[in-house]
Amino acid sequence: LAKTTQPISMDSYEGQEVNITCSHNNIATNDYITWYQQFPSQGPRFIIQGYKTKVTNEVASLFIPADRKSSTLSLPRVSLSDTAVYYCLVGEDYGGATNKLIFGTGTLLAVQP
Amino acid sequence: DGGITQSPKYLFRKEGQNVTLSCEQNLNHDAMYWYRQDPGQGLRLIYYSQIVNDFQKGDIAEGYSVSREKKESFPLTVTSAQKNPTAFYLCASRRESNQPQHFGDGTRLSIL
Repeated sequence: LAKTTQPISMDSYEGQEVNITCSHNNIATNDYITWYQQFPSQGPRFIIQGYKTKVTNEVASLFIPADRKSSTLSLPRVSLSDTAVYYCLVGEDYGGATNKLIFGTGTLLAVQP
Repeated sequence: DGGITQSPKYLFRKEGQNVTLSCEQNLNHDAMYWYRQDPGQGLRLIYYSQIVNDFQKGDIAEGYSVSREKKESFPLTVTSAQKNPTAFYLCASRRESNQPQHFGDGTRLSIL
C-alpha cells in the first residue's frame, strides 16, 4: 500500500485559503485518495475523496495532477474551528483483501485569529 | 440518525484484567474495523471484519480479540496479554470498497 508524506504542521489565519499537499509516489492504479479531519479525542471525519483531476464538495476541494503522485487539499476561508489534524490516505483497494487505511502522522493545522 | 456508537468513552483496566470495548453501527455497513491511536501518531489497524462471522488480523492484533456475531456489532476485547494497552481506540465501518470509512468517537483506555 502506498505511503503518504505530508507536512507535520501548518499555520494560517482566519479567512485565508489553506492548501495542504500530500505526496504518494507509489500510488496504485486502483487507489483512491482520501482526506480525513480529526479533532482531539474524536474519531476522524471524512472530508473528501478523489481519483483524478479535481473534486469539490461543500467543505473542500481536492486537486490531483495527472501523474497522481501527489494531491492537494484546499480549505477555503478557514476559521478557528478548522484547527485540527488532517490525514491524507491512499490504498483502499477495490474489493481487496486488506481494505485497510494507512494513516501517517497527519498535518496539524493551526488557525489563528 | 445513523452512525457508529462506541462505549464507554473512558475505560480503566487493572493489571491482568480483560476488558471489552463496544462498537455498534446502524448504517447497515458490511465492513467494520478497530484501530488504535497513540499520542501524536496516526491510526494502526488491530482487526477488521468484512462480513458477519468473519474477521482478519490487522497490523497489531497480538493481545486483542474480536467477534462479529451480528452485522451491527463488532466488540473488541483487550486481553491481559496486551502489555501496553493504554491508547485511544477507534471503531469504523464502511459500506463497500473505496467508500470512505465512518468512525465512532473512540474509547480511551487507561491502566490503573
